[in-house]
Amino acid sequence: EIVLTQSPGTLSLSPGERATLSCRASRSVSNNYLAWYQQKLGQAPRLLIYGTSTRATGIPDRFSGSGSGTDFTLTISRLEPEDFAVYYCQQYGTSPLTFGGGTKVEIK
Amino acid sequence: EVQLLESGGGLVQPGGSLRLSCAASGFTFTSSFISWVRQAPGKGLEWVSTISGSGGSTYYADSVKGRFTISKDNSKNTLYLQMNSLRAEDTAVYFCAKAPPGLRPGHWYFDLWGRGTLVTVSS
Repeated sequence: EIVLTQSPGTLSLSPGERATLSCRASRSVSNNYLAWYQQKLGQAPRLLIYGTSTRATGIPDRFSGSGSGTDFTLTISRLEPEDFAVYYCQQYGTSPLTFGGGTKVEIK
Repeated sequence: EVQLLESGGGLVQPGGSLRLSCAASGFTFTSSFISWVRQAPGKGLEWVSTISGSGGSTYYADSVKGRFTISKDNSKNTLYLQMNSLRAEDTAVYFCAKAPPGLRPGHWYFDLWGRGTLVTVSS
């Protein structure tokens, strides 16, 4: 299976700052089928990005995704208070589906 | 309202069984693959199982194959997960999650999630 490694484990930033989250795959993600989710404590995950760079319905444009092959990035251009959460990447190019271990974005 | 609502979680002894349900509303239940994804306490997400819109095709993670059975009742817009031979490592919040229509088998991401139901396997 494809192992997804997310870094850093925790990102401490202030509102208004830029967040850059990394997701590295153990081998190439087919068709760049990579998604990102946001999860707040006690809540269900919310889809942010699919197909590496396509924002899901209703997701603000401060969220952007990029990358290809084995290296992918989620960027939040200016952190809003509601953006402090845990973020997961998921590859859906190769069975079985796998998720990364998550990056927690916390208030500095 | 478009939503998924899980139920059926609880405390069960190792080796025991439990059936989870997920009630769907606000979308065409037969038009999308729908899955179970779990999250152990303090851990990340793990895909468990998926079923096709018609219910005719099912898919499982190796960790649950032979122990869990996914099914659905399209007349009730409800998804199920029958869990047998439960182990301590099955302890997790179980989410149901819908894939957008039109995705190919095995290539699912999830655009709608329920709030989850907690399963605890302990003596």
